[in-house]
Amino acid sequence: SQQGEEDPQALSIQEGENATMNCSYKTSINNLQWYRQNSGRGLVHLILIRSNEREKHSGRLRVTLDTSKKSSSLLITASRAADTASYFCATIIQGAQKLVFGQGTRLTINP
Amino acid sequence: GAVVSQHPSRVICKSGTSVKIECRSLDFQATTMFWYRQFPKQSLMLMATSNEGSKATYEQGVEKDKFLINHASLTLSTLTVTSAHPEDSSFYICSARLNSVSPETQYFGPGTRLLVL
Repeated sequence: SQQGEEDPQALSIQEGENATMNCSYKTSINNLQWYRQNSGRGLVHLILIRSNEREKHSGRLRVTLDTSKKSSSLLITASRAADTASYFCATIIQGAQKLVFGQGTRLTINP
Repeated sequence: GAVVSQHPSRVICKSGTSVKIECRSLDFQATTMFWYRQFPKQSLMLMATSNEGSKATYEQGVEKDKFLINHASLTLSTLTVTSAHPEDSSFYICSARLNSVSPETQYFGPGTRLLVL
């Protein structure tokens, strides 16, 4: 079963704009991760944020985590056409050793 | 970073035949590998967890006799789709966990697209 729900399901913006994707989850977690998947390809790990962290940055990526609301957001600043992909959040449920993925957001950056 | 490969990248087969997909960790030993299935425009669904030298653990709803998993070495896991049917057509992705010390770190293969005619 899916652990996370993401919104929006699809997002289309102009190059240079910022893109924000949200993820909500149901159970307690040790950490939350974000992945990118280009069409028909494997997954690329973007960033991991632990349950005791509230915000994390990596280049143009900014991730926040609110454990009280069981939600996370991924912000991509100054978007580029190459950022076009699907983005998934994933969690490892406490006590388990497996990643469970959200539904994903399909991001399209228009040149 | 660590590299995981899958072979083949794409396979087309006739209904009723069996297809084997290989997942290899190229530059590290993976005690645990995972198999996921992804239908078009959907998320990844975990099928099974494969531990080297032991039986795989299947997720609820995944038929273990249909999706045979073998993890005979620390660098290779195979998924065999037996008696494939058109509804098995999907994108199959494996991942490998580096070690138990860092369980959250998984490296994903590029995926195998299966089309059953």
